[in-house]
Amino acid sequence: GEDVEQSLFLSVREGDSSVINCTYTDSSSTYLYWYKQEPGAGLQLLTYIFSNMDMKQDQRLTVLLNKKDKHLSLRIADTQTGDSAIYFCAETPFSGGYNKLIFGAGTRLAVHP
Amino acid sequence: DTAVSQTPKYLVTQMGNDKSIKCEQNLGHDTMYWYKQDSKKFLKIMFSYNNKELIINETVPNRFSPKSPDKAHLNLHINSLELGDSAVYFCASSPDRANSPLHFGNGTRLTVT
Repeated sequence: GEDVEQSLFLSVREGDSSVINCTYTDSSSTYLYWYKQEPGAGLQLLTYIFSNMDMKQDQRLTVLLNKKDKHLSLRIADTQTGDSAIYFCAETPFSGGYNKLIFGAGTRLAVHP
Repeated sequence: DTAVSQTPKYLVTQMGNDKSIKCEQNLGHDTMYWYKQDSKKFLKIMFSYNNKELIINETVPNRFSPKSPDKAHLNLHINSLELGDSAVYFCASSPDRANSPLHFGNGTRLTVT
């Protein structure tokens, strides 16, 4: 089946690291994505990882993929107030050869001083 | 030079009316999508077009009809609006129809009264 689960809330202190976790169900997903949504805005692609990788680093962002457990995480180093947003994880189950991103419910990250 | 642009940004209308939302992308992408985000921020795919051909049609009431006059445009027409149609509708595009990230517009907030 297609299901992506994330915890709904995360609160961190400015300067600390944030870790947002996600579990997905479809092992055929070729890519897994992280999107960021700020209030009143669209979804911004943050980063993505190919299913044959287990880690990807992009400046302050580190993505870890555990394919066996179908677990994806996003670590944000030195979290800033501008990182406060909703973070969505998405899987891409094989669906007749078409892109069909299935999103989790989003994790609301609150960064406090 | 907005990549994926939607109009209008806000739409308030009464039950029973018919309305349209327009979307245009200037990225040269082949594939476009409509997603619906409900009040709990849950995102669900509605439709996808690849080079003007409908390729994904999820379980959506037939009051919703997408139209793609060319590959840079995907409009969404909704007939006989209902209270439950209130949501934020996001248009997105991707370079091709498989294994490529989606680029989202800023959304259209539809309120049905």
